[in-house]
Amino acid sequence: EVQLVESGGGLVQPGGSLRLSCAASGFTFSSYWMHWVRQAPGKGLVWVSRINSDGSSTSYADSVKGRFTISRDNAKNTLYLQMNSLRAEDTAVYYCARNEVSRAFDIWGQGTMVTVSS
Amino acid sequence: DIQMTQSPSTLSASVGDRVTITCRASQSISSWLAWYQQKPGKAPKLLIYKASSLESGVPSRFSGSGSGTEFTLTISSLQPDDFATYYCQQYNIWTFGQGTKVEIK
Repeated sequence: EVQLVESGGGLVQPGGSLRLSCAASGFTFSSYWMHWVRQAPGKGLVWVSRINSDGSSTSYADSVKGRFTISRDNAKNTLYLQMNSLRAEDTAVYYCARNEVSRAFDIWGQGTMVTVSS
Repeated sequence: DIQMTQSPSTLSASVGDRVTITCRASQSISSWLAWYQQKPGKAPKLLIYKASSLESGVPSRFSGSGSGTEFTLTISSLQPDDFATYYCQQYNIWTFGQGTKVEIK
């Protein structure tokens, strides 16, 4: 079964750090671009970051640039999001998603909740 | 940056109704437009890609059309399972619309 499973969310204080993981299974992980998308409580979907298939190229939303780092370990079939200098406005469910070139985001994880609060 | 604007924000409809949601791009995105359905507490689900291609396993009552800057998602006969929030997304740089909530009338 093709699957993405996120982990690593939780409660963190403002200014703190957290690393999210997304474990992939059921497909050739190293062949796909991957993304992180977040959704604040009661709000819409917001694209956060993407990484190409071999990890050599990344991009970020302006709201997280310089604070978040996306990476991947193709040997471990795992995507990461290192989040530093967290702010209250980063509070959201974070989803990882597979990017099939012509079919957009065809597979999504179940999401992991990040709460930034003192 | 390309902005995506959906209308309406909320739509009240009854089972069996034909429903249309519009998504407009601030500049041409060719046919690089996807539609997703999201239910409360769940991850989004891909319905339509490349503006009009139906994702495998998605019921044929869902259809998409358009190109350039104006796109539509149509549900031909609304079913109880279709009450949800729908998002468009341009996938040149992956911006989402703000969402359209389809509610029971």
